[in-house]
Amino acid sequence: EDQVTQSPEALRLQEGESSSLNCSYTVSGLRGLFWYRQDPGKGPEFLFTLYSAGEEKEKERLKATLTKKESFLHITAPKPEDSATYLCAVQAFGDKIIFGKGTRLHILP
Amino acid sequence: DVKVTQSSRYLVKRTGEKVFLECVQDMDHENMFWYRQDPGLGLRLIYFSYDVKMKEKGDIPEGYSVSREKKERFSLILESASTNQTSMYLCASSPLAPSGNTIYFGEGSWLTVV
Repeated sequence: EDQVTQSPEALRLQEGESSSLNCSYTVSGLRGLFWYRQDPGKGPEFLFTLYSAGEEKEKERLKATLTKKESFLHITAPKPEDSATYLCAVQAFGDKIIFGKGTRLHILP
Repeated sequence: DVKVTQSSRYLVKRTGEKVFLECVQDMDHENMFWYRQDPGLGLRLIYFSYDVKMKEKGDIPEGYSVSREKKERFSLILESASTNQTSMYLCASSPLAPSGNTIYFGEGSWLTVV
């Protein structure tokens, strides 16, 4: 069964304390892996698409990496405004897109 | 920038009412989606459409219907609203691409059924 699991469910960090969020997946053929940021009460905002193992993408303090079984979203020196829920989604062959349940990130000033 | 616009941000409806949620995208995307998002359950796909007048059931279509008369517009219809349909509804669109189809979301519509 195709599955996407994000960990941890919630993470509290001090401002400037770098860390990583994990998205592990089991799908029958990967077409793409997506990361989104979601602020409370708003729709998910697209961050990155990764297509193949070894690929990396960066945006400001965020860096996404991909292996054959998981993706990491690395957050370097985070600020309070990085607090949000981060969602991972995977598109398998057959086009179905499966979302993880997200990691709630809270950055303390 | 991709823009997906949901017509209503907040709605309060009575049980049994017919509810329309409208969504428009401005990027000429072929695919459009309706999800609902509930705490602890994540995003669940209600319906999607890959072309005008085409629709496919998602994971939780019961109690919902959809309409896509124009490429840019995708409507979600609750024929007879019930309290268990209180939720945040998200419209999304994506291009038809040979590689992964990035989905872009609207701001969401908060529906409360009383």
